[in-house]
Amino acid sequence: SQQGEEDPQALSIQEGENATMNCSYKTSINNLQWYRQNSGRGLVHLILIRSNEREKHSGRLRVTLDTSKKSSSLLITASRAADTASYFCATDVLSGNTPLVFGKGTRLSVIA
Amino acid sequence: DAGITQSPRHKVTETGTPVTLRCHQTENHRYMYWYRQDPGHGLRLIHYSYGVKDTDKGEVSDGYSVSRSKTEDFLLTLESATSSQTSVYFCAISSGTIGANVLTFGAGSRLTVL
Repeated sequence: SQQGEEDPQALSIQEGENATMNCSYKTSINNLQWYRQNSGRGLVHLILIRSNEREKHSGRLRVTLDTSKKSSSLLITASRAADTASYFCATDVLSGNTPLVFGKGTRLSVIA
Repeated sequence: DAGITQSPRHKVTETGTPVTLRCHQTENHRYMYWYRQDPGHGLRLIHYSYGVKDTDKGEVSDGYSVSRSKTEDFLLTLESATSSQTSVYFCAISSGTIGANVLTFGAGSRLTVL
């Protein structure tokens, strides 16, 4: 069964606006990761946030993690048409190398 | 997709035939994974490997087998393909850094079972 669930399933915004996607998960985690998938391509790792971190930034990306609520959010600021893609959260549920469990993804469309 | 290649990229086959998908890496990573991606289901783990000849089942392993005889190659075999195995299959690799198990994905193999 899915560990992470992204919300919303789809999001459409204008270029220049901010995009926020949320991920909820069920069990305790070691870290949470976000990946992007362009149409017809493999997933690409964006950012990792550890369970003892609350916020992390990478360029126009901002990720927050609330372990008490078992949720994370991905904010993309000043969106561009090139940000159009599906975004997945993935949870590392145990320490070590347990395979990541992916959510179903949020499909983001950025309209120029 | 540097360092990881999947073959074939596209395949059409008939129900009941065996199919083998290959994942090849040049990164010398210890961990290799096979996921399938279907609309409405996201990515689901089929099998994974944590070393040569060391493999384990994932969430949706029924009807699939894997082999890893060399570090660089991880094969996924559908013993007798069914229409429910029509999907896009992704291979992924990781170095296995403790607490930072970041995956690098291949470009995917689209399989259609008629």
